[in-house]
Amino acid sequence: DIVMTQTPLSSPVTLGQPASISCRSSQSLVHSDGNTFLSWLQKRPGQPPRLLIYKISNRFSGVPDRFSGSGAGTDFTLKITRVEAEDVGVYYCMQATQFPLTFGGGTKVEIK
Amino acid sequence: QVQLVQSGAEVKKPGASVKVSCKASGYTFSNYGISWVRQAPGQGLEWMGWISAYNGKTKYEQKFQDRVTMTTDTSTGTAYMELRSLRSDDTAVYYCAREDYDNSGSDYWGQGTLVTVSS
Repeated sequence: DIVMTQTPLSSPVTLGQPASISCRSSQSLVHSDGNTFLSWLQKRPGQPPRLLIYKISNRFSGVPDRFSGSGAGTDFTLKITRVEAEDVGVYYCMQATQFPLTFGGGTKVEIK
Repeated sequence: QVQLVQSGAEVKKPGASVKVSCKASGYTFSNYGISWVRQAPGQGLEWMGWISAYNGKTKYEQKFQDRVTMTTDTSTGTAYMELRSLRSDDTAVYYCAREDYDNSGSDYWGQGTLVTVSS
């Protein structure tokens, strides 16, 4: 199974300041078809997960452009340019290149 | 608009089974798959398995292989996840998610179903 490791575990951020979350996979996420199926999801308390980014850097419908994804191979990053109060929650990276699909352990974004 | 509506909360005794439903609307059901993901209290997200709504093909996480069955009913656009031999550590919120496997992945999610296992 592909192990997904996220850092940091927690990210206290001042409103309006940037936040960055890293995700590393135990093996390359490049699929045999050339795609890299790495997604980022947001999980707020009491709400279902919400897809933010798919295939490394594609923002899903309705996702604000302050969210961006980057990376390649085994190293990936989610950035929030200016954190807003509604961004508080836990962020997960997820790989869908290979079964079983696996998630990172999560990074909690909170306001300082 | 795409919607996944799950069945309501369940309370079960250890050793029992639970069957959670996920009714899809707003898209052609058989063109996508459905994944099931759970989150135990205070824990992260855990993928349980996937089913193709096109042909019923399934892929299960190995730890659930012997206890889970995922099915679909294309006539009603509904996916089901049955988990047997429940234990207290199966207490969790269970989510279904539409799988656009070649594109946006787990893009739309159900609201979640709390399953509590307690004697």
